[in-house]
Amino acid sequence: EDQVTQSPEALRLQEGESSSLNCSYTVSGLRGLFWYRQDPGKGPEFLFTLYSAGEEKEKERLKATLTKKESFLHITAPKPEDSATYLCAVQNSGNTPLVFGKGTRLSVIA
Amino acid sequence: DAGVIQSPRHEVTEMGQEVTLRCKPISGHNSLFWYRQTMMRGLELLIYFNNNVPIDDSGMPEDRFSAKMPNASFSTLKIQPSEPRDSAVYFCASSLWGLVRGFSSGANVLTFGAGSRLTVL
Repeated sequence: EDQVTQSPEALRLQEGESSSLNCSYTVSGLRGLFWYRQDPGKGPEFLFTLYSAGEEKEKERLKATLTKKESFLHITAPKPEDSATYLCAVQNSGNTPLVFGKGTRLSVIA
Repeated sequence: DAGVIQSPRHEVTEMGQEVTLRCKPISGHNSLFWYRQTMMRGLELLIYFNNNVPIDDSGMPEDRFSAKMPNASFSTLKIQPSEPRDSAVYFCASSLWGLVRGFSSGANVLTFGAGSRLTVL
Protein backbone atom coordinates (compact mmCIF):
# COMPACT_ATOMS: atom_id res chain seq x y z
CA GLU A 1 0.00 0.00 0.00
CA ASP A 2 1.33 3.43 -0.95
CA GLN A 3 2.05 5.69 2.02
CA VAL A 4 3.09 9.31 2.49
CA THR A 5 4.33 10.80 5.77
CA GLN A 6 5.00 14.50 6.13
CA SER A 7 6.98 16.22 8.84
CA PRO A 8 6.80 18.35 10.80
CA GLU A 9 3.02 18.63 11.25
CA ALA A 10 3.40 22.35 11.90
CA LEU A 11 6.26 24.80 11.45
CA ARG A 12 6.53 28.38 12.61
CA LEU A 13 9.20 30.58 11.01
CA GLN A 14 10.25 34.16 11.28
CA GLU A 15 10.18 36.08 8.02
CA GLY A 16 13.47 35.40 6.21
CA GLU A 17 14.22 32.23 8.19
CA SER A 18 14.82 29.46 5.63
CA SER A 19 13.77 25.86 6.34
CA SER A 20 12.70 22.58 4.75
CA LEU A 21 9.60 20.42 4.85
CA ASN A 22 9.94 16.65 4.54
CA CYS A 23 7.85 14.10 2.67
CA SER A 24 8.75 10.43 3.12
CA TYR A 25 7.04 7.92 0.88
CA THR A 26 6.72 4.23 0.11
CA VAL A 27 5.30 3.36 -3.27
CA SER A 28 5.32 0.40 -5.64
CA GLY A 29 7.19 2.21 -8.40
CA LEU A 30 6.99 6.00 -8.54
CA ARG A 31 5.31 7.66 -11.49
CA GLY A 32 5.30 11.08 -9.87
CA LEU A 33 5.58 12.97 -6.59
CA PHE A 34 3.46 16.09 -6.26
CA TRP A 35 3.51 19.15 -4.03
CA TYR A 36 0.38 21.20 -3.45
CA ARG A 37 -0.27 24.35 -1.44
CA GLN A 38 -3.56 24.77 0.45
CA ASP A 39 -4.76 28.09 1.87
CA PRO A 40 -7.46 28.15 4.58
CA GLY A 41 -10.94 27.64 3.15
CA LYS A 42 -9.62 26.72 -0.30
CA GLY A 43 -8.77 23.63 -2.26
CA PRO A 44 -5.19 22.45 -2.77
CA GLU A 45 -3.31 24.22 -5.55
CA PHE A 46 -0.70 22.43 -7.65
CA LEU A 47 2.94 23.48 -7.24
CA PHE A 48 5.31 20.82 -8.66
CA THR A 49 5.64 17.34 -10.05
CA LEU A 50 8.90 15.41 -9.63
CA TYR A 51 9.47 12.21 -11.57
CA SER A 52 12.86 10.75 -10.69
CA ALA A 53 15.52 10.84 -7.97
CA GLY A 54 17.83 13.80 -8.31
CA GLU A 55 15.25 16.01 -9.96
CA GLU A 56 14.74 19.55 -8.65
CA LYS A 57 12.13 22.21 -9.44
CA GLU A 58 11.89 25.82 -8.32
CA LYS A 59 9.16 28.41 -8.07
CA GLU A 60 9.92 31.76 -6.47
CA ARG A 61 11.11 31.00 -2.91
CA LEU A 62 10.27 27.29 -3.14
CA LYS A 63 12.50 24.47 -4.33
CA ALA A 64 11.44 20.83 -4.37
CA THR A 65 13.93 17.96 -4.47
CA LEU A 66 13.47 14.20 -4.75
CA THR A 67 15.38 11.12 -3.59
CA LYS A 68 14.34 7.47 -3.78
CA LYS A 69 12.67 7.64 -0.37
CA GLU A 70 11.78 11.26 0.30
CA SER A 71 11.20 14.71 -1.05
CA PHE A 72 12.04 18.06 0.48
CA LEU A 73 10.37 21.39 -0.05
CA HIS A 74 12.94 24.06 0.71
CA ILE A 75 11.67 27.53 1.51
CA THR A 76 14.25 30.29 1.16
CA ALA A 77 13.74 33.61 2.97
CA PRO A 78 10.00 33.01 3.46
CA LYS A 79 7.45 35.80 3.62
CA PRO A 80 4.13 35.88 5.52
CA GLU A 81 2.28 35.17 2.27
CA ASP A 82 3.99 31.76 2.15
CA SER A 83 1.91 30.73 5.17
CA ALA A 84 -0.24 27.77 4.12
CA THR A 85 -0.51 24.01 4.43
CA TYR A 86 1.80 22.17 2.06
CA LEU A 87 0.65 18.75 0.89
CA CYS A 88 2.73 16.00 -0.67
CA ALA A 89 1.23 13.21 -2.80
CA VAL A 90 2.50 10.21 -4.76
CA GLN A 91 1.26 8.37 -7.82
CA ASN A 92 2.52 4.86 -8.41
CA SER A 93 3.56 3.29 -11.68
CA GLY A 94 0.31 1.33 -11.77
CA ASN A 95 -1.35 4.61 -12.69
CA THR A 96 -3.62 4.71 -9.65
CA PRO A 97 -4.88 7.97 -8.14
CA LEU A 98 -2.81 10.18 -5.90
CA VAL A 99 -2.24 9.31 -2.25
CA PHE A 100 -1.77 12.38 -0.06
CA GLY A 101 0.10 13.02 3.15
CA LYS A 102 -1.57 14.95 5.98
CA GLY A 103 0.41 18.08 5.23
CA THR A 104 2.66 20.57 7.03
CA ARG A 105 1.06 23.76 8.33
CA LEU A 106 3.55 26.57 7.77
CA SER A 107 3.24 29.90 9.55
CA VAL A 108 5.61 32.73 8.65
CA ILE A 109 5.64 35.56 11.15
CA ALA A 110 6.62 39.11 10.15
CA ASP B 1 -12.12 28.59 -17.46
CA ALA B 2 -13.76 29.07 -14.06
CA GLY B 3 -12.03 26.03 -12.64
CA VAL B 4 -13.73 23.22 -10.75
CA ILE B 5 -17.00 24.47 -9.29
CA GLN B 6 -18.52 22.93 -6.18
CA SER B 7 -21.79 23.61 -4.43
CA PRO B 8 -22.88 24.22 -1.80
CA ARG B 9 -19.81 25.77 -0.13
CA HIS B 10 -21.28 25.18 3.30
CA GLU B 11 -23.98 22.78 4.43
CA VAL B 12 -25.33 22.35 7.93
CA THR B 13 -27.85 19.57 8.39
CA GLU B 14 -29.25 17.31 11.05
CA MET B 15 -28.42 13.68 11.50
CA GLY B 16 -30.54 11.46 9.28
CA GLN B 17 -31.04 14.02 6.52
CA GLU B 18 -29.98 13.50 2.92
CA VAL B 19 -27.06 15.58 1.67
CA THR B 20 -26.17 16.13 -1.99
CA LEU B 21 -22.90 17.75 -3.00
CA ARG B 22 -22.37 18.89 -6.58
CA CYS B 23 -19.36 19.32 -8.82
CA LYS B 24 -18.73 20.77 -12.28
CA PRO B 25 -15.28 19.73 -13.54
CA ILE B 26 -13.05 21.67 -15.90
CA SER B 27 -14.24 21.40 -19.49
CA GLY B 28 -12.12 18.88 -21.40
CA HIS B 29 -10.98 16.99 -18.32
CA ASN B 30 -11.87 13.31 -18.46
CA SER B 31 -11.26 12.23 -14.85
CA LEU B 32 -13.10 13.32 -11.72
CA PHE B 33 -12.23 12.60 -8.11
CA TRP B 34 -14.09 13.02 -4.82
CA TYR B 35 -11.89 13.47 -1.74
CA ARG B 36 -12.78 14.02 1.91
CA GLN B 37 -10.53 16.04 4.23
CA THR B 38 -10.45 15.90 8.03
CA MET B 39 -7.82 16.92 10.54
CA MET B 40 -7.41 13.35 11.72
CA ARG B 41 -7.17 11.56 8.37
CA GLY B 42 -6.10 14.24 5.91
CA LEU B 43 -7.24 13.93 2.28
CA GLU B 44 -8.87 10.58 1.53
CA LEU B 45 -10.00 9.46 -1.91
CA LEU B 46 -13.63 8.37 -1.90
CA ILE B 47 -14.28 7.54 -5.56
CA TYR B 48 -13.06 8.46 -9.02
CA PHE B 49 -14.50 8.43 -12.52
CA ASN B 50 -12.76 8.14 -15.85
CA ASN B 51 -14.75 9.17 -18.92
CA ASN B 52 -17.88 9.31 -16.70
CA VAL B 53 -17.47 5.69 -15.58
CA PRO B 54 -16.83 4.91 -11.88
CA ILE B 55 -13.46 3.17 -11.69
CA ASP B 56 -12.79 2.70 -7.99
CA ASP B 57 -15.22 3.33 -5.14
CA SER B 58 -13.30 1.38 -2.50
CA GLY B 59 -12.80 4.57 -0.51
CA MET B 60 -16.52 5.17 -0.02
CA PRO B 61 -16.96 4.59 3.70
CA GLU B 62 -20.26 2.73 3.58
CA ASP B 63 -23.46 2.22 1.64
CA ARG B 64 -24.79 5.54 2.86
CA PHE B 65 -22.47 7.19 0.34
CA SER B 66 -23.14 7.16 -3.39
CA ALA B 67 -21.77 9.11 -6.35
CA LYS B 68 -22.89 9.61 -9.91
CA MET B 69 -21.53 11.24 -13.02
CA PRO B 70 -24.38 11.41 -15.56
CA ASN B 71 -22.32 13.42 -18.06
CA ALA B 72 -18.87 14.95 -18.53
CA SER B 73 -19.82 18.23 -16.89
CA PHE B 74 -21.57 17.17 -13.70
CA SER B 75 -21.14 14.86 -10.72
CA THR B 76 -22.91 14.40 -7.39
CA LEU B 77 -21.93 12.87 -4.08
CA LYS B 78 -24.87 11.87 -1.94
CA ILE B 79 -24.99 10.87 1.72
CA GLN B 80 -28.22 9.28 2.94
CA PRO B 81 -28.75 9.21 5.86
CA SER B 82 -26.09 11.59 7.13
CA GLU B 83 -24.33 11.10 10.49
CA PRO B 84 -22.22 13.47 12.63
CA ARG B 85 -19.05 11.54 11.73
CA ASP B 86 -19.59 12.56 8.10
CA SER B 87 -18.72 16.14 9.02
CA ALA B 88 -15.72 17.12 6.89
CA VAL B 89 -14.70 19.15 3.87
CA TYR B 90 -15.48 17.36 0.63
CA PHE B 91 -13.38 18.22 -2.40
CA CYS B 92 -13.97 17.50 -6.03
CA ALA B 93 -10.99 17.50 -8.38
CA SER B 94 -10.62 16.93 -12.11
CA SER B 95 -7.76 16.14 -14.48
CA LEU B 96 -6.86 14.95 -17.96
CA TRP B 97 -5.69 11.47 -17.01
CA GLY B 98 -6.30 7.76 -17.25
CA LEU B 99 -7.42 6.57 -20.64
CA VAL B 100 -7.07 9.50 -23.01
CA ARG B 101 -8.05 8.66 -26.58
CA GLY B 102 -7.33 5.01 -25.84
CA PHE B 103 -3.88 5.57 -24.38
CA SER B 104 -2.92 5.48 -20.70
CA SER B 105 -1.66 8.91 -19.72
CA GLY B 106 1.07 9.79 -17.26
CA ALA B 107 1.23 12.02 -14.24
CA ASN B 108 -2.11 13.00 -12.78
CA VAL B 109 -2.14 16.74 -12.07
CA LEU B 110 -5.34 17.48 -10.19
CA THR B 111 -7.24 20.76 -10.16
CA PHE B 112 -9.34 21.03 -7.02
CA GLY B 113 -12.52 22.90 -6.32
CA ALA B 114 -12.92 25.13 -3.28
CA GLY B 115 -14.65 22.36 -1.32
CA SER B 116 -17.97 21.84 0.42
CA ARG B 117 -17.83 22.06 4.20
CA LEU B 118 -20.41 19.68 5.68
CA THR B 119 -21.52 19.84 9.29
CA VAL B 120 -23.94 17.18 10.51
CA LEU B 121 -25.50 17.96 13.89
